[in-house]
Amino acid sequence: AQKITQTQPGMFVQEKEAVTLDCTYDTSDPSYGLFWYKQPSSGEMIFLIYQGSYDQQNATEGRYSLNFQKARKSANLVISASQLGDSAMYFCAMRPYTGNQFYFGTGTSLTVIP
Amino acid sequence: DTGVSQDPRHKITKRGQNVTFRCDPISEHNRLYWYRQTLGQGPEFLTYFQNEAQLEKSRLLSDRFSAERPKGSFSTLEIQRTEQGDSAMYLCASSWTGLNTEAFFGQGTRLTVV
Repeated sequence: AQKITQTQPGMFVQEKEAVTLDCTYDTSDPSYGLFWYKQPSSGEMIFLIYQGSYDQQNATEGRYSLNFQKARKSANLVISASQLGDSAMYFCAMRPYTGNQFYFGTGTSLTVIP
Repeated sequence: DTGVSQDPRHKITKRGQNVTFRCDPISEHNRLYWYRQTLGQGPEFLTYFQNEAQLEKSRLLSDRFSAERPKGSFSTLEIQRTEQGDSAMYLCASSWTGLNTEAFFGQGTRLTVV
C-alpha cells in the first residue's frame, strides 16, 4: 500500500524567511518518484519539483529544494526567501514506477506574513 | 499550448441528475488522469488512461461514474444519478509516458449537488 503523510495542516512564515514543509511516505516499491505541487485558491495544481528515488542529489528548482532522506522515507520541501505569492496549499505526491497513479497527501496550508 | 483545460469550471445540479465534464489534455500527452478533491483533502485517484485505453479505475469509483477518452485525445467523465456526496472538485491531469514525468493539472470542475 502507498501512503503519503503531511503532518502540518497549517504553517506561517515571515516574508523573506525560509520554511520547510514536511512529507513522509510509505511504499514497498523500490523505484518511485516524489513530487510537490502548489495549489493556490484558484484551484489549479502547479508542479514545483521532482525527486527520483535513485537520485543521489537533492533536487533544486529556483527557490524550491527537496530534502530527500530515503532511509527515513522523507521528502521535505524547503522554500527559501518566502514571498507573499507563496501563500497556498502544498501537496506532496508519490508515483511508484510500477504503477500509474499519483498518491497525494492531505496538504499543508502555507501563509506568508508581510 | 495552453495547458490542460476543463469545462465547465463550475456545475450546480440537482440530486439525481446526470452530469458530464470534459477535459482537454496537453496535446501529445498520452497519459490522462481524473482525480477528485474534497475540502481539506488531497486529490483522490479516480481513473487513468493511456491513449484511448482506460487502464486503471479506483475501487472507490462506483458504477455511476464512467469515463471515456475516444481517439486518445479529450476525455469525458460522466456521473449518473448524482448524489450530494459527489460534490467535489474534479481534476484532470495529463503527462508524457515516462518514469519521472510530472502530471500537469487543469483548473478543475467544481460540482455542487443540491
